[in-house]
Amino acid sequence: GAGVSQSPSNKVTEKGKDVELRCDPISGHTALYWYRQSLGQGLEFLIYFQGNSAPDKSGLPSDRFSAERTGGSVSTLTIQRTQQEDSAVYLCASSFLSGSYEQYFGPGTRLTVT
Amino acid sequence: QQQVKQSPQSLIVQKGGISIINCAYENTAFDYFPWYQQFPGKGPALLIAIRPDVSEKKEGRFTISFNKSAKQFSLHIMDSQPGDSATYFCAAGWDQGGKLIFGQGTELSVKP
Repeated sequence: GAGVSQSPSNKVTEKGKDVELRCDPISGHTALYWYRQSLGQGLEFLIYFQGNSAPDKSGLPSDRFSAERTGGSVSTLTIQRTQQEDSAVYLCASSFLSGSYEQYFGPGTRLTVT
Repeated sequence: QQQVKQSPQSLIVQKGGISIINCAYENTAFDYFPWYQQFPGKGPALLIAIRPDVSEKKEGRFTISFNKSAKQFSLHIMDSQPGDSATYFCAAGWDQGGKLIFGQGTELSVKP
């Protein structure tokens, strides 16, 4: 079946512009996660949507970052007034909320802020 | 403290050798420890995971060893192959789901 998909695969933007990154989780997965991977670094947790419960936003680095999940499916990560330090690969993952918690990752969106 | 420390940063192993990657954690509330494999340009993929009620888990050539008292766990890749060349991440989390805390990654290169 289809895995987690993310779009765009690459995004180049100018400093100060806003960007939106999209994630389509695996059908039936009610948990959705965003992580950030900077060059040569591990994955840094950003936000976690858990079904109908309030999201865990504890990893968002600043108020320039926000995320939505519409209809319990597609999610959009928005970065306002982008800075050069926002350049990274943004990874989305999804999982079931009960039973197996294995997180399945998408291929990521590579964001470059010039 | 929710850090997970991973070593080494990079590892070169000859084909057929054993690759060993180590991780250490601080938070004793963690009860789920997965290892992910990532190829360039791809997202990480779950390789193997362990829960603290066992000290070892083996799947094919991949084994996790877990030492609860030392708060350490390691990945052993037996009979390493060039196709195993990738970046490996350990992580820690909770058995009920939720965010994972990742180590910094180990770039493994298996030489033919």
